[in-house]
Amino acid sequence: SYELTQPPSVSVSPGQTARITCSGDALAKQYVSWYQQKSGQAPIVVIYKDDMRPSGIPERFSASNSGTAATLSISGVQAEDEAVYYCQSAASSSTFGDVVFGGGTTVTVL
Amino acid sequence: QVQVVESGGGLVKPGGSLRLSCSVSGFIISDFYMSWIRQAPGKGLECLSYISGSGKTIYYADSVKGRFTISWDSAKNSVYLQMSSLTAADTAMYYCARAVVVPAASWFDPWGQGALVTVSS
Repeated sequence: SYELTQPPSVSVSPGQTARITCSGDALAKQYVSWYQQKSGQAPIVVIYKDDMRPSGIPERFSASNSGTAATLSISGVQAEDEAVYYCQSAASSSTFGDVVFGGGTTVTVL
Repeated sequence: QVQVVESGGGLVKPGGSLRLSCSVSGFIISDFYMSWIRQAPGKGLECLSYISGSGKTIYYADSVKGRFTISWDSAKNSVYLQMSSLTAADTAMYYCARAVVVPAASWFDPWGQGALVTVSS
């Protein structure tokens, strides 16, 4: 089955840039979305369609997709950005195929 | 305000059944895909099922195929997940989420607060 691979954890000092990668074989065919899940809360989308930021999401959140790996960047990290981040895509180029989430990356603000 | 709210979670015995409900506001479910996503304790996210606005497209993950059934009631603007033959492995927080689907892209927004399902004797 299709898988998206993320590093388990990333640590970053306040004010620095955190980068989270997401690799998968079908990233050249499907856009990637990113979700933030703070402890005890439901996930929220922070990036959709590779690099689109929903309204209300701070500009320090950005992302890209090279076709082999997607990257979520959080510039000027703040304590409130500490959370688990998940990437999400689909297994095929069909409109809405097998949805898959990455395993999640815990971002720790030192 | 666009919102989804789950209900119906609880404690159920192995082999039992439970129905989750998802009530939405601020949009019409027939205009969107609606989905159920679960998260086992300390684990990641798993998309279990989704249904198109027309009801013609339905997806189930292999882990729940044949045991779970998704449905919706347009008059009540609600989506349901009927779960049967439950095992301890089904213990999780179950989220309802609206899925935005465009060519080659999909994302889930918004998510509900979740309904906790515990399968235990």
